[in-house]
Amino acid sequence: QKEVEQDPGPLSVPEGAIVSLNCTYSNSAFQYFMWYRQYSRKGPELLMYTYSSGNKEDGRFTAQVDKSSKYISLFIRDSQPSDSATYLCAMTYSSASKIIFGSGTRLSIRP
Amino acid sequence: EPEVTQTPSHQVTQMGQEVILRCVPISNHLYFYWYRQILGQKVEFLVSFYNNEISEKSEIFDDQFSVERPDGSNFTLKIRSTKLEDSAMYFCASSARALGGSGELFFGEGSRLTVL
Repeated sequence: QKEVEQDPGPLSVPEGAIVSLNCTYSNSAFQYFMWYRQYSRKGPELLMYTYSSGNKEDGRFTAQVDKSSKYISLFIRDSQPSDSATYLCAMTYSSASKIIFGSGTRLSIRP
Repeated sequence: EPEVTQTPSHQVTQMGQEVILRCVPISNHLYFYWYRQILGQKVEFLVSFYNNEISEKSEIFDDQFSVERPDGSNFTLKIRSTKLEDSAMYFCASSARALGGSGELFFGEGSRLTVL
């Protein structure tokens, strides 16, 4: 079983739709959870950072962590064509010297 | 806004040649990292560096790879004898605090390495 699993997509939705992106993980030691956005041939850009379980909202983006299910989600409201990118989940634990990425979900927002 | 800068943006080299990729992390950051991404694949951890020594390295980071912080601002990744499979985008990253202490990781734009 992979440490972090993420559906690679591609996922295509119309502009204005609510997008749901998800990752599952196997290591119960993970405590810090991140979502990065990566445009083609660019570096990952940090979108959301959450600690332990619960929700965090930032503008149109909401990150959810359910540690009991080992499941994290990113919701994008009122999606825009500029949101078209690859979204990477990532996670780490308290004594770690690295973050571990999922494989990324390619998202396309149709105008 | 402070950013991680990387040079070169693209390097083409012959198999067996040495390559040095350079990074200038965000100025007040103390923790430094290299990741790589083979085209179409996931972002993979290579090495982390703190207090002038390697904190952790992956299986990919074998004896052909080395890192150095030669001065107060640069952080370099050297590949001694490149192989075809080293062709990838290499990302430098830095953080102000330890990742497990709510340190956030900021990435550069990447250096694309093509080995012929």
